[in-house]
Amino acid sequence: NAGVTQTPKFRILKIGQSMTLQCTQDMNHNYMYWYRQDPGMGLKLIYYSVGAGITDKGEVPNGYNVSRSTTEDFPLRLELAAPSQTSVYFCASSYSEDTEAFFGQGTRLTVV
Amino acid sequence: QKEVEQNSGPLSVPEGAIASLNCTYSDRGSQSFFWYRQYSGKSPELIMSIYSNGDKEDGRFTAQLNKASQYVSLLIRDSQPSDSATYLCAVNPDSSASKIIFGSGTRLSIRP
Repeated sequence: NAGVTQTPKFRILKIGQSMTLQCTQDMNHNYMYWYRQDPGMGLKLIYYSVGAGITDKGEVPNGYNVSRSTTEDFPLRLELAAPSQTSVYFCASSYSEDTEAFFGQGTRLTVV
Repeated sequence: QKEVEQNSGPLSVPEGAIASLNCTYSDRGSQSFFWYRQYSGKSPELIMSIYSNGDKEDGRFTAQLNKASQYVSLLIRDSQPSDSATYLCAVNPDSSASKIIFGSGTRLSIRP
């Protein structure tokens, strides 16, 4: 079972470049989340979605954008990358906000 | 005040002893509470979820919830070296909110 799949696993960006982190899940979950985790820290919620066509900001949305055109996919877009966006990004999905969230393997992003 | 707070540790516990991890949250309307374990370089994985006041046991793990005092704890009995990891407390902060907020995590080290 694939679960939650993120691509790429690693990426180095130059300041000012843009990129899209891909996330797809095959569990038919309506809820999907994007978190970032800085070294030695917990997870900070960037954006979340409760279904196709519905997205909302989390704790740290500045510098990011998302879309949810299908139940399966929830890409995260970084525009004008900055060194402060160097982090590990996790995508997660769940059946509801009250149930277990399943995480992808993470994307390690470095902005130089 | 942060929505979910944890002592960052590290917490060092001898093998075979009980490890006690604590978490406080700010929103009295919070309904759902989770403990995730994260090994270094890996994704978080769910250990326990708890929704009602009191204790919930699963093997060597016991989650305790006290909504009046706004804290949730995790006890690990007969601690094993494989329990060495970062433990993340997560909360659905409001019954009307469709998101899960994480604390910064407590690093647990089990010493032989």
